[in-house]
Amino acid sequence: QLQLQESGPGLVKPSETLSLTCTVSGGSISSTNYFWGWLRQPPGKGLEYIGTMYYSGSTYYNPSLKSRVTISMDTSKNQFSLMVSSVTAADTAVYYCARTSNLSFDPWGQGTLVTVSS
Amino acid sequence: QSALTQPPSASGSPGQSVTISCTGTSSDIGTYYYVSWYQHHPGKAPKLVIYEVSQRPSGVPDRFSGSRSGNTASLTVSGLQAEDEADYYCSSYAGSNNWVFGGGTKLTVL
Repeated sequence: QLQLQESGPGLVKPSETLSLTCTVSGGSISSTNYFWGWLRQPPGKGLEYIGTMYYSGSTYYNPSLKSRVTISMDTSKNQFSLMVSSVTAADTAVYYCARTSNLSFDPWGQGTLVTVSS
Repeated sequence: QSALTQPPSASGSPGQSVTISCTGTSSDIGTYYYVSWYQHHPGKAPKLVIYEVSQRPSGVPDRFSGSRSGNTASLTVSGLQAEDEADYYCSSYAGSNNWVFGGGTKLTVL
């Protein structure tokens, strides 16, 4: 059974870079059938798509976040990562990683709360 | 403000049916047949319950069904059970490898 688990600092200072890693077990991120992505949910708000990546290296980002977001992949560790630069309080959210198939997201990780505060 | 509009809450008694709407635009729901619905119990991983408007993933009860008309998609949960109480989010592919989501609907089983 495919499982995803997010990890990374729970507190990031304003203007710094948020970095998270998603570890995948029970399947390979090098599969040709799937993309791998990040989403987030600010407190009290709805979900927001951040971006996706294909094992070949192709990346796709939400236009509203594109200038600050980087998604990368380490196939040797079966992990993919997210970086968001120049964070502000508006980037405080629960961050989720997920696999993309049939243009939907399934499965998801449990999520990790990242708070931006000095 | 979310790109897709959902009612903030919905409710029904056990055994009843509840329908949750999700309104988008001609740039997302109205164009692409890639509407999906997610069930989220707080503190747990969101779970896909409907994809491609009306398809159910393996293991999802047939009490869950989806449909689309114009720019609006709908999720119907029939034969409500206590375990169905959760937050539900709709999503639509919006082209160019971009997705939009709704603000979520809290479903209460009375």
